[in-house]
Amino acid sequence: DGGITQSPKYLFRKEGQNVTLSCEQNLNHDAMYWYRQDPGQGLRLIYYSQIVNDFQKGDIAEGYSVSREKKESFPLTVTSAQKNPTAFYLCASSRSPEETQYFGPGTRLLVL
Amino acid sequence: GQQLNQSPQSMFIQEGEDVSMNCTSSSIFNTWLWYKQDPGEGPVLLIALYKAGELTSNGRLTAQFGITRKDSFLNISASIPSDVGIYFCAGHYNTDKLIFGTGTRLQVFP
Repeated sequence: DGGITQSPKYLFRKEGQNVTLSCEQNLNHDAMYWYRQDPGQGLRLIYYSQIVNDFQKGDIAEGYSVSREKKESFPLTVTSAQKNPTAFYLCASSRSPEETQYFGPGTRLLVL
Repeated sequence: GQQLNQSPQSMFIQEGEDVSMNCTSSSIFNTWLWYKQDPGEGPVLLIALYKAGELTSNGRLTAQFGITRKDSFLNISASIPSDVGIYFCAGHYNTDKLIFGTGTRLQVFP
């Protein structure tokens, strides 16, 4: 089955720790994206990558980092510099930046 | 930054009723997309629109790309309990980034 997978579904982190969220796609899409969603709100873009070994900051990149070493994978690291990391994180991909984005199931991060 | 105004924010309807929601923008958009999100899940694409005036259906769902390219609506006919969720509009306007509306939360009562 083709699709986007995110793991884990739920993640708990202590304050001051970095944590990495996984996103993998087997759709052969060039572009991948990370969004943050807070309760009752829409989606805000954290980082995006249009091609392997390249990525750009979105609207709320501070406190986050990404890498795109493989076409299939776009991991997101939530660093200790992110002051309010508790949120629902969504990964998406598209064939090209202008085309429709498809979403993974999301990872809920809770900082204890 | 660019924003999409989506309304209504929430709707409480009875099973069998029709539903209508819309998105508007001050800028011209090149595409309009409608997604549905169930609690704790990622958004799922419902309908994609690519041309001004385009009217597209997907089962009980119908969406239109406004003639001015600054708005879009989504209609759901004969609602059923599984229609419950949050509906998001989204679109590309002059960049490669997708802009999202704030969502319409739909509750369907039997």
